[in-house]
Amino acid sequence: DAKTTQPPSMDCAEGRAANLPCNHSTISGNEYVYWYRQIHSQGPQYIIHGLKNNETNEMASLIITEDRKSSTLILPHATLRDTAVYYCIVREQQRAGGTSYGKLTFGQGTILTVHP
Amino acid sequence: KAGVTQTPRYLIKTRGQQVTLSCSPISGHRSVSWYQQTPGQGLQFLFEYFSETQRNKGNFPGRFSGRQFSNSRSEMNVSTLELGDSALYLCASSLDGIGEKLFFGSGTQLSVL
Repeated sequence: DAKTTQPPSMDCAEGRAANLPCNHSTISGNEYVYWYRQIHSQGPQYIIHGLKNNETNEMASLIITEDRKSSTLILPHATLRDTAVYYCIVREQQRAGGTSYGKLTFGQGTILTVHP
Repeated sequence: KAGVTQTPRYLIKTRGQQVTLSCSPISGHRSVSWYQQTPGQGLQFLFEYFSETQRNKGNFPGRFSGRQFSNSRSEMNVSTLELGDSALYLCASSLDGIGEKLFFGSGTQLSVL
């Protein structure tokens, strides 16, 4: 799986959009970009994933650049409960007979602090 | 439906002892993965089980083992505990280990004294 680079920490004001960047310059064509977050004392939580098109769900939006070398996770209206460590993960498409069953490779992530 | 359940939530052991942690996946999920989280190494993959078979394994010594039962519940065992085994142990479940989403439990915090 390709390596990702994220800023170690970011701040955001409550109610504003939080934009979390991720660089994955060595990503290959069959690798997806996943975002998970981990709130203190809990297990990681899936947020969103995408291949090359922008994606949106009830939690966030994922913007992937055209060359796919970087992406941005957007939390449109951050709340205090969004304070967490956010992990950007690049993972190859999984298929039966593959070798990465159940495996995610986590980096150090970005500590997002949402303040009042 | 209920999420991934891990027991116990906290555990204190001494060096040389062995420990067994339990994980109950989401109903219908057949894949269970285990992760170790420490401040120094972050989240690291231990192994994955599907239909009672280990399909994938991370780079951990043989003291770390696991198994899965026919109801998909899983246990992991650490023998001859070392101080460095102190960590948060997380279990994750998914339908088949191939899909996009892993659902994590809250973990078992193991302290080795």
